[in-house]
Amino acid sequence: GAVVSQHPSWVICKSGTSVKIECRSLDFQATTMFWYRQFPKQSLMLMATSNEGSKATYEQGVEKDKFLINHASLTLSTLTVTSAHPEDSSFYICSALPRNTEAFFGQGTRLTVV
Amino acid sequence: QQPVQSPQAVILREGEDAVINCSSSKALYSVHWYRQKHGEAPVFLMILLKGGEQKGHDKISASFNEKKQQSSLYLTASQLSYSGTYFCGADNTDKLIFGTGTRLQVFP
Repeated sequence: GAVVSQHPSWVICKSGTSVKIECRSLDFQATTMFWYRQFPKQSLMLMATSNEGSKATYEQGVEKDKFLINHASLTLSTLTVTSAHPEDSSFYICSALPRNTEAFFGQGTRLTVV
Repeated sequence: QQPVQSPQAVILREGEDAVINCSSSKALYSVHWYRQKHGEAPVFLMILLKGGEQKGHDKISASFNEKKQQSSLYLTASQLSYSGTYFCGADNTDKLIFGTGTRLQVFP
């Protein structure tokens, strides 16, 4: 299956700073990537759809100015959490969704804001 | 809209069976099933594309009703490795929305 690589796997940052998470498709080109957030004991909630060469589409209730998504190439999508606060601490994971097959996930990033 | 799963949690002894249900308010293009262990990425179990479809491998199988709004995951003769949280995924062709989740614990 397709390989999606996500980095870093974990990060600890101070409140008020920004954090960038990278998601790379290693063996295929992804025009679309999806970003999810998961709080403890909860489901994966779709935050936004990253579109190569155009603006991301954000789900209702997700602050686009806080969660900046860039999809500058067919193999790289990035999520930047700006001015992070403790309530942004969560598990963030990207995925690709080819037609009629499974979703391919990155390894996920555990963000802790202190 | 997020699919609703039932039950929310299941506790089993090894060898017992379980059924997890997933219900959508509208017809889906396809339904996925995943198992996730704490702190890890979800692991794909299967995808169902057609109404009325049933499929499975080993001791895990699933069904998708004719209206493509309900799906069930069947776990038979459970093993310790089955423990984790199970999610269905509703695919409406443009994105994958995960269900509310079912936490499954298997004890010896």
